Amino acid sequence: DIVMTQSPDSLAVSLGERATINCKSSQSVLYSSNNKDFLAWYQQKPGQSPKLLLYWASTRESGVPDRFSGSGSGTDFTLTISSLQAEDVAVYYCQQYYTTPPTFGQGTNVEIK
Amino acid sequence: QVLLVESGGGLVKPGGSLRLSCAASGFTFTDYYMNWIRQAPGKALEWVSYISSSGNSTNYADSVKGRFTISRDNAKNSLYLQMNSLRAEDTAVYYCASGLRKSLFDYWGQGALVTVSS
Repeated sequence: DIVMTQSPDSLAVSLGERATINCKSSQSVLYSSNNKDFLAWYQQKPGQSPKLLLYWASTRESGVPDRFSGSGSGTDFTLTISSLQAEDVAVYYCQQYYTTPPTFGQGTNVEIK
Repeated sequence: QVLLVESGGGLVKPGGSLRLSCAASGFTFTDYYMNWIRQAPGKALEWVSYISSSGNSTNYADSVKGRFTISRDNAKNSLYLQMNSLRAEDTAVYYCASGLRKSLFDYWGQGALVTVSS
């Protein structure tokens, strides 16, 4: 199985400041035939179910604010929230869909400083 | 809008069985892979099982293989998870999730809590 490791486990950021979450996979999730990274990011707000934010490592799901962006390729990825808003308090998960079983990172808790 | 509503959760003794259901609406059910994903209290997400749009293909996490069975009824826009030989470590909120692509989870239900305890 591909192991997904996120850092940090928890992050406190002031309103309006940048939040950066890292995700590392134990093997590459880049599919060479289409040059796409099979990497997604989800947001889970307190008491809610997860919501898809980004897929193909950097493609925003419809309706996701453009302050959320993704970058990276191969084994190293980053989710950036450019200007943290109060409604962004949540746990964020990366997930690979390159192989079965799909696997998630352990989550990064983002809170307001 | 897309709606996934799980039901059937509850308290069950170790070794017991439970059947979860997920009613889908707001999208073309027959176009989508369907999945079960669980989250133990305070823990990360764990994929449990998927079924293809036609129902011809299924797959399971090693932790549930041989004990859980996923199925779907496309005529009823419904997904099911039959859980047998339940263990304490199966205690979790179980989410159904849909996806146009295998293993990418576009929409999630609100979850059903399954507690396995004597």
